[in-house]
Amino acid sequence: RKEVEQDPGPFNVPEGATVAFNCTYSNSASQSFFWYRQDCRKEPKLLMSVYSSGNEDGRFTAQLNRASQYISLLIRDSKLSDSATYLCVVNSMDSNYQLIWGAGTKLIIKP
Amino acid sequence: DVKVTQSSRYLVKRTGEKVFLECVQDMDHENMFWYRQDPGLGLRLIYFSYDVKMKEKGDIPEGYSVSREKKERFSLILESASTNQTSMYLCASFSPLFYEQYFGPGTRLTVT
Repeated sequence: RKEVEQDPGPFNVPEGATVAFNCTYSNSASQSFFWYRQDCRKEPKLLMSVYSSGNEDGRFTAQLNRASQYISLLIRDSKLSDSATYLCVVNSMDSNYQLIWGAGTKLIIKP
Repeated sequence: DVKVTQSSRYLVKRTGEKVFLECVQDMDHENMFWYRQDPGLGLRLIYFSYDVKMKEKGDIPEGYSVSREKKERFSLILESASTNQTSMYLCASFSPLFYEQYFGPGTRLTVT
């Protein structure tokens, strides 16, 4: 079983719709969780950290469910510019500074 | 503004060649990483370094080595390139203050 698993998609979604992704992680002791965004042929960039209480940044909401070991990302009122691959990331138990990466979920927003 | 640069965006090498990929960061970060990214597999850690002249193997170090002679520079070396090393190579440095990895633009390496 992979340590961090994501549905690879692609998710094809009309502009203005709400879309949600889930990601599961295998190590119940994981402490830090993140969503990174990667545009086509570009490097990953941090989208948002995921806090235990859930957090929101504009149209983006991240949630953590420790009991079920999953993280979610919700995008409301999706824009064409949201088209990207979204990477779920969890800290490694081997080192505080290492991260374990999901393979990513591809999102395509259609006009 | 944070900046991580990599020596080449695209590189084509022949099987058996020695390949050097260089990464430079200007943020005075101690921790630096080399990943490769392949479709469906996500980012896989090759090596990382937590200080000058210090290095640790990641998940897939076979066929690679690294060098960190200066804090700002972390080099990845393919001693004898093989076709299965054709991939996107991404370098990152880590900010413990923001707990964030900053990536270079990547090097797409093709080994023929």
